[in-house]
Amino acid sequence: AQSVTQPDIHITVSEGASLELRCNYSYGATPYLFWYVQSPGQGLQLLLKYFSGDTLVQGIKGFEAEFKRSQSSFNLRKPSVHWSDAAEYFCAVGPFGNAGNMLTFGGGTRLMVKP
Amino acid sequence: DGGITQSPKYLFRKEGQNVTLSCEQNLNHDAMYWYRQDPGQGLRLIYYSQIVNDFQKGDIAEGYSVSREKKESFPLTVTSAQKNPTAFYLCASLPPGQTLKETQYFGPGTRLLVL
Repeated sequence: AQSVTQPDIHITVSEGASLELRCNYSYGATPYLFWYVQSPGQGLQLLLKYFSGDTLVQGIKGFEAEFKRSQSSFNLRKPSVHWSDAAEYFCAVGPFGNAGNMLTFGGGTRLMVKP
Repeated sequence: DGGITQSPKYLFRKEGQNVTLSCEQNLNHDAMYWYRQDPGQGLRLIYYSQIVNDFQKGDIAEGYSVSREKKESFPLTVTSAQKNPTAFYLCASLPPGQTLKETQYFGPGTRLLVL
């Protein structure tokens, strides 16, 4: 069965420092890969997505992610974190299921930013 | 402005009571989804619907029911059979074509609490 693992439940970084959030997946083929961000009490906003081609994808708000097939990973990075980046981040993979359009989400990583 | 609305923002349920969470979209999207979010567990799929008058169970459908009488609306009922309903519920939709290469849009969520 497919699964998504975000090993870090909480991460704290200083403002201006670099950030890397880890995501590993288990799936028999190359899935579609997504990163979403969620502010407290809000819905999810798509940061970026990967389907094929260049393994380094750029997203909104200065985020990027790199797909590494050999490691089954899709880590999210940002070179310089801003206080407004404090939120919860979710990695998701798909498509799965008969519908072919469902996502499986990781458990999330909560990012805290120190001034 | 187009988007997904969920109401209410907070909902309280008494023991043995059925409650219904509203999800409405004016994006002309075919597919709609309900997710449940618990701390540290990411999002889990409850039900999804690809077209009007059709819906399918997701991973954790027990204790929930849905209907899809209109394209714009996909209400979720949390029945008394759901013994642990306290969670954050997110509704989402996909544009026509139902391919994950499109962005899955999320509503702002409803937090359900048990009295």
